[in-house]
Amino acid sequence: QVHLVQSGPEVKNPGASVTVSCQASGYIFKDYSIAWVRQAPGQRFEWVGWISTYTGDPDYAPRFQGRVTMTTDTSTRTAYMELRSLTSDDAAIFYCARVGGTGYDQFDYWGQGTLLTV
Amino acid sequence: DVQLTQFPSTLSASVGDRVTITCRASESISKMLAWYQQQPGKAPKLLIYQASRLESGVAARFSGSGSETQFTLTINSLQPEDFATYFCQQYNNYWTFGQGTKVDIK
Repeated sequence: QVHLVQSGPEVKNPGASVTVSCQASGYIFKDYSIAWVRQAPGQRFEWVGWISTYTGDPDYAPRFQGRVTMTTDTSTRTAYMELRSLTSDDAAIFYCARVGGTGYDQFDYWGQGTLLTV
Repeated sequence: DVQLTQFPSTLSASVGDRVTITCRASESISKMLAWYQQQPGKAPKLLIYQASRLESGVAARFSGSGSETQFTLTINSLQPEDFATYFCQQYNNYWTFGQGTKVDIK
């Protein structure tokens, strides 16, 4: 059974950085990419970026470029997202999700979400 | 970016009703569209992908249709557990999302 388990809620001051983890289980980690999205209160979901768990290559949404870093640790089947220079606009629930195919594809499994308060 | 406009934003319905939610894309996305259900405080659940393909394990009362710029999600015979928020997602060019439709009890 596929599971994505994220790290717990975070409270940060403006200007700080946050790292959210996403540990996968129930499938071969390197077979599926991981995407990160966020949902601010009352807003639609927003894609932050994604990373190939096979190559380790990330691709970031333009508005987060320079402020986000995504990595993976295949030994622990964990993906990480670091977001820097936080502002109050970054307050949101961050989700990791498994990308269902080999390219742009639907998200077939999601983590439980990590609440970020700034 | 591909913009997705979803409507209605809120829909009041009763158990047993048939409901339809629409998602319109700002440009053609072929059939690269998914629908999700989200219960309060929970992670989203994939219902439909490639516009009309039912995800494994999802009840057959959910169906999707459409292509290019116009898509619909239909729920036949609404069940108590279906009262939730539904949103669309395009994945033809990166990913963008609709603003969501809350289905509540009439």
